[in-house]
Amino acid sequence: QKEVEQNSGPLSVPEGAIASLNCTYSDRGSQSFFWYRQYSGKSPELIMFIYSNGDKEDGRFTAQLNKASQYVSLLIRDSQPSDSATYLCAVRNAGNNRKLIWGLGTSLAVNP
Amino acid sequence: EADIYQTPRYLVIGTGKKITLECSQTMGHDKMYWYQQDPGMELHLIHYSYGVNSTEKGDLSSESTVSRIRTEHFPLTLESARPSHTSQYLCASQTSGGVTGELFFGEGSRLTVL
Repeated sequence: QKEVEQNSGPLSVPEGAIASLNCTYSDRGSQSFFWYRQYSGKSPELIMFIYSNGDKEDGRFTAQLNKASQYVSLLIRDSQPSDSATYLCAVRNAGNNRKLIWGLGTSLAVNP
Repeated sequence: EADIYQTPRYLVIGTGKKITLECSQTMGHDKMYWYQQDPGMELHLIHYSYGVNSTEKGDLSSESTVSRIRTEHFPLTLESARPSHTSQYLCASQTSGGVTGELFFGEGSRLTVL
């Protein structure tokens, strides 16, 4: 079992719909959680991070964290074709020298 | 947001050549990282540094070496490039804050070894 797991997709949604991306992690000591977006051939860019249980909203993006169930999700409202990319989940705990553990990413396609 | 720069963006070289990929950041971040990523594949940490004169190997074995003589500069060197080194190399720096620090990436250096 990988430490951080994501469905590789592709996840296909119509323009204007809500895209829901999920990530599970194995280490209960994990303390911080990050979502990155990576367009093909480009480097990852930070979308948002979350540290506390519950929801965190930033524009069209909402991160949801449930530490008891060990999952973190990213919701994208009013999806646009420009949201088509791979979304990477990254997790950090206090151990492991505080390095980020990366998921393989979920490919999202938003269809016009 | 960090300003982090990588050069060259693209490099095509012959087998056996020595190359250095440059990475610089202007935000004074202590923590810097080198990742390797093949198309459609996961990120692999190959080197990291938590400050000047501190360097560590990452999770993926790499024949490359790094140095950290200045806070802002974290170059990666391959003494003798081989076709197996063909990949995208991504440099990142991290804001302070321990577990809460965020990584910001440069635009990457795409290396092709013929």
